[in-house]
Amino acid sequence: NAGVTQTPKFRVLKTGQSMTLLCAQDMNHEYMYWYRQDPGMGLRLIHYSVGEGTTAKGEVPDGYNVSRLKKQNFLLGLESAAPSQTSVYFCASRLLPGTGRNEQFFGPGTRLTVL
Amino acid sequence: AQTVTQSQPEMSVQEAETVTLSCTYDTSESDYYLFWYKQPPSRQMILVIRQEAYKQQNATENRFSVNFQKAAKSFSLKISDSQLGDAAMYFCAYRKQGGSEKLVFGKGTKLTVNP
Repeated sequence: NAGVTQTPKFRVLKTGQSMTLLCAQDMNHEYMYWYRQDPGMGLRLIHYSVGEGTTAKGEVPDGYNVSRLKKQNFLLGLESAAPSQTSVYFCASRLLPGTGRNEQFFGPGTRLTVL
Repeated sequence: AQTVTQSQPEMSVQEAETVTLSCTYDTSESDYYLFWYKQPPSRQMILVIRQEAYKQQNATENRFSVNFQKAAKSFSLKISDSQLGDAAMYFCAYRKQGGSEKLVFGKGTKLTVNP
């Protein structure tokens, strides 16, 4: 199993450009999450999904959109990138609560710089 | 809203010695989980140890153990026989039972291990 993978690993954007970050998991997990990590901060939740076709806002959703068209993929979109979105982005996934291990598994992160 | 506080931005320890990292949290929930994650320079988030709030016994994983004080809302991590590979950022995280199952993170403690 590859676990949780993220594409790309690094990206530099100019202000106003758009991009999509891809998260994929091969563990048949129901729940998926996007977090961002800024210097001196812990991870903060952007959006999450509790199943295919569902998404919900987290703690810091402004400027981001997400889609979960397939169970194994969770996409994070930036429509018009801003320097404040310079961050490291982590995807995580977990099983349906009550069905097994209750931990979240994290991807390796994507470092995004917006100039 | 739940909050997690790590009051030690940086800590250092001599190789083979013991170090304790502090974490306090605020919640009105009775069912929840607490976690310690390790983030080495590779950025990968690695689960170190977890504690279920309903369990009175402190969790242990090899050289890692916790001191869980539910009434005081304190959850410290003790690392025994510290090794050079333990050097990393350590994040305390909280998750309530049910709902989005999202993690709420502290700001982290940077641990340096001196040879």
